[in-house]
Amino acid sequence: AQTVTQSQPEMSVQEAETVTLSCTYDTSESDYYLFWYKQPPSRQMILVIRQEAYKQQNATENRFSVNFQKAAKSFSLKISDSQLGDAAMYFCAYRSYNQGGKLIFGQGTELSVKP
Amino acid sequence: GAGVSQSPSNKVTEKGKDVELRCDPISGHTALYWYRQSLGQGLEFLIYFQGNSAPDKSGLPSDRFSAERTGGSVSTLTIQRTQQEDSAVYLCASSLDSGGYTQYFGPGTRLTVL
Repeated sequence: AQTVTQSQPEMSVQEAETVTLSCTYDTSESDYYLFWYKQPPSRQMILVIRQEAYKQQNATENRFSVNFQKAAKSFSLKISDSQLGDAAMYFCAYRSYNQGGKLIFGQGTELSVKP
Repeated sequence: GAGVSQSPSNKVTEKGKDVELRCDPISGHTALYWYRQSLGQGLEFLIYFQGNSAPDKSGLPSDRFSAERTGGSVSTLTIQRTQQEDSAVYLCASSLDSGGYTQYFGPGTRLTVL
């Protein structure tokens, strides 16, 4: 069974600075998807970024980028130029390529942004 | 267009009562998922529907939980004889299909069992 681990329950960053959230996962599959979701206090989960395991290039979305290390089974999220609106709970998630669409989530990292 | 909607937003019930939670997916999305978010268990998958295929019920925690999806659109998650440990936020998500497409989440239903 696949597992996802986020070892940082809480992180803090100064506004305009850069922060990296860690995520590791365990799987025996070679094809899969990885995601970072953001959950603000409104509870609505919002997709931040996704990565297909077969792609070597790290995904980027504006100020958000990932460092995908397939051999190490690591998938960290870097947030550049942090903004107050980035404060939220961040979840790393894994999805099998061909065993249905269910997401397996990590425990989450609560990010606070200091003005 | 409209996103995933869920109702009610909050539900308070007494132990032993049955509850129904509703999810309206994004129009045209054939895949629909239910997840549960609780303090003790984190975010866990419950069930998913893909078109007319048999649902994957592998995440349902007990036979008190069931779900159906009528007409390939709206879904209802039913919890019978609720217990205090059922208190959680129930999240619904939908995607174009169960392939590689992104899942879009609703705002969730917060269930409190007294």
